[in-house]
Amino acid sequence: IAGITQAPTSQILAAGRRMTLRCTQDMRHNAMYWYRQDLGLGLRLIHYSNTAGTTGKGEVPDGYSVSRANTDDFPLTLASAVPSQTSVYFCASSEGSGDNREQFFGPGTRLTVL
Amino acid sequence: GQNIDQPTEMTATEGAIVQINCTYQTSGFNGLFWYQQHAGEAPTFLSYNVLDGLEEKGRFSSFLSRSKGYSYLLLKELQMKDSASYLCAVKDSNYQLIWGAGTKLIIKP
Repeated sequence: IAGITQAPTSQILAAGRRMTLRCTQDMRHNAMYWYRQDLGLGLRLIHYSNTAGTTGKGEVPDGYSVSRANTDDFPLTLASAVPSQTSVYFCASSEGSGDNREQFFGPGTRLTVL
Repeated sequence: GQNIDQPTEMTATEGAIVQINCTYQTSGFNGLFWYQQHAGEAPTFLSYNVLDGLEEKGRFSSFLSRSKGYSYLLLKELQMKDSASYLCAVKDSNYQLIWGAGTKLIIKP
């Protein structure tokens, strides 16, 4: 069982380019999340999906979009990358969004926008 | 606004005990989580508290006081592999996790 996989592991991107970060889980979890982690700051929620077919905006959604066509996949797209989107991106999933549902994290994607 | 505060960095000695504090101010409370994150890796779940009191799990324990907006993570019999960042997170009224910036724990021999 792989858990959660993310691709690519790392990427250097020119500003203005479009980029999709991939996330796949095999745990049949209903809820999925995208976070960014920057030095000195806590994880910040970008977008989330409580179940396939639905998505919601987190704390920092501007410049990002997501889709949830099925249970397993939750891609994150940067339509036109900017240097401030340089960060480590983590995808996570949980059985549901209820009280004690711990989140499981993928290995992360390190993105540099020049 | 919502806020989670933790010390930025702590240092402890191998074999000793260390307590990492977390204070929070959030819109609603649906539980507090502690995660461990080694450098360059993903966070992994350590503990969950929703009721006041102490939850013990092996060498790690976590305490919660909802009235004080306070939690701590207690690590006993420290090992070198415990060198990592420890993240405190609170589930708010929307059931979303609000994260602290993390406490980097350095273990010295």
